Amino acid sequence: AQTVTQSQPEMSVQEAETVTLSCTYDTSENNYYLFWYKQPPSRQMILVIRQEAYKQQNATENRFSVNFQKAAKSFSLKISDSQLGDTAMYFCAFIVIQGAQKLVFGQGTRLTINP
Amino acid sequence: KAGVTQTPRYLIKTRGQQVTLSCSPISGHRSVSWYQQTPGQGLQFLFEYFSETQRNKGNFPGRFSGRQFSNSRSEMNVSTLELGDSALYLCASSIVSARTDTQYFGPGTRLTVL
Repeated sequence: AQTVTQSQPEMSVQEAETVTLSCTYDTSENNYYLFWYKQPPSRQMILVIRQEAYKQQNATENRFSVNFQKAAKSFSLKISDSQLGDTAMYFCAFIVIQGAQKLVFGQGTRLTINP
Repeated sequence: KAGVTQTPRYLIKTRGQQVTLSCSPISGHRSVSWYQQTPGQGLQFLFEYFSETQRNKGNFPGRFSGRQFSNSRSEMNVSTLELGDSALYLCASSIVSARTDTQYFGPGTRLTVL
């Protein structure tokens, strides 16, 4: 079975701090893509960052970076210099290249950035 | 470029009724996927369409169906609504392949079944 586990249901940090969200996944496939999506309160889901499993280099997008450990099936998201606008639900997801074309999501981590 | 749009944004129905939700993908995107989001089950895949054909289907009963038109717009239909169908229904579009191309999500349709 393909699953994603986000072990932190909720997190809270102060503005400007760095925060890391954890994600582990399980798949028997070797080729897949990993994603972090952000869903702000009452707003639509947007892509934060994407990682191709065949790439060893960790993806970065401005203040967002990932720590991808393929052998451990771990894909954590680090947010540096956190801002109030980062407050949202964050979902980790993956999709395999061979097989059903569907994103498998974790249950999400509710991140609150406090002023 | 306009994003993914979904209509209506909110719906209230009663048990036993049916409902149709609409999704317009980003211009040039040909793959449309549907997801159901609930507090208990999280985000679950419903189905994916490409070139008017359903390519993949999740584990939902036959009451959930969909279709895609030649302009890539998609609709999903839920017949004989049940209370458990109350959810946020999200549509996502990608250029060609939902596997290799990033999926971009719409704002969702919040369905409440009374």
